[in-house]
Amino acid sequence: DGGITQSPKYLFRKEGQNVTLSCEQNLNHDAMYWYRQDPGQGLRLIYYSQIVNDFQKGDIAEGYSVSREKKESFPLTVTSAQKNPTAFYLCASKEAGTYEQYFGPGTRLTVT
Amino acid sequence: AQRVTQPEKLLSVFKGAPVELKCNYSYSGSPELFWYVQYSRQRLQLLLRHISRESIKGFTADLNKGETSFHLKKPFAQEEDSAMYYCALSSGGTSYGKLTFGQGTILTVHP
Repeated sequence: DGGITQSPKYLFRKEGQNVTLSCEQNLNHDAMYWYRQDPGQGLRLIYYSQIVNDFQKGDIAEGYSVSREKKESFPLTVTSAQKNPTAFYLCASKEAGTYEQYFGPGTRLTVT
Repeated sequence: AQRVTQPEKLLSVFKGAPVELKCNYSYSGSPELFWYVQYSRQRLQLLLRHISRESIKGFTADLNKGETSFHLKKPFAQEEDSAMYYCALSSGGTSYGKLTFGQGTILTVHP
């Protein structure tokens, strides 16, 4: 089951620590996205990237950072500035000129 | 700013009954709307998009610009339809493809 992979599936961190979530795709898609999923709130866009070395803030970018050094990789760092980091994080990618986003399996982050 | 509202957090029906999952949106431009589905232990995936006017797995959805709605319907629900359903609106066209999701509706189809 290739396509988009996210690792690890579960991640535990202490409050005050930065943590990086991995997202890799082998679909040769140009665009990649990070969403946060919370119960009763749906998915909210954190960051997105259309091309390598370029990315834009989504609706809830505060406390997060990203990089896009390679087309196939779009890691998300949850910093200590994020006030409520415990959530389920989903990565997605999309081919240029199309609408459909393909989602990874997600990473559940728990910060205590 | 765009907004997508799914008023029902939970929806339960019996097998063979009709089902309608509601979705309302607000958007100043011309909307591109989608339904995504997440079955148990599977990834979130696209179910259908309004521009293609397809029927996927028996589901249809019609865009009603007057009522700003994009409700998902199926005349005869099946147990395998049980899943989380998200309505989503795309802004930025195919270039940016930013999706705004509703809160989601958990559909349970009882035997």
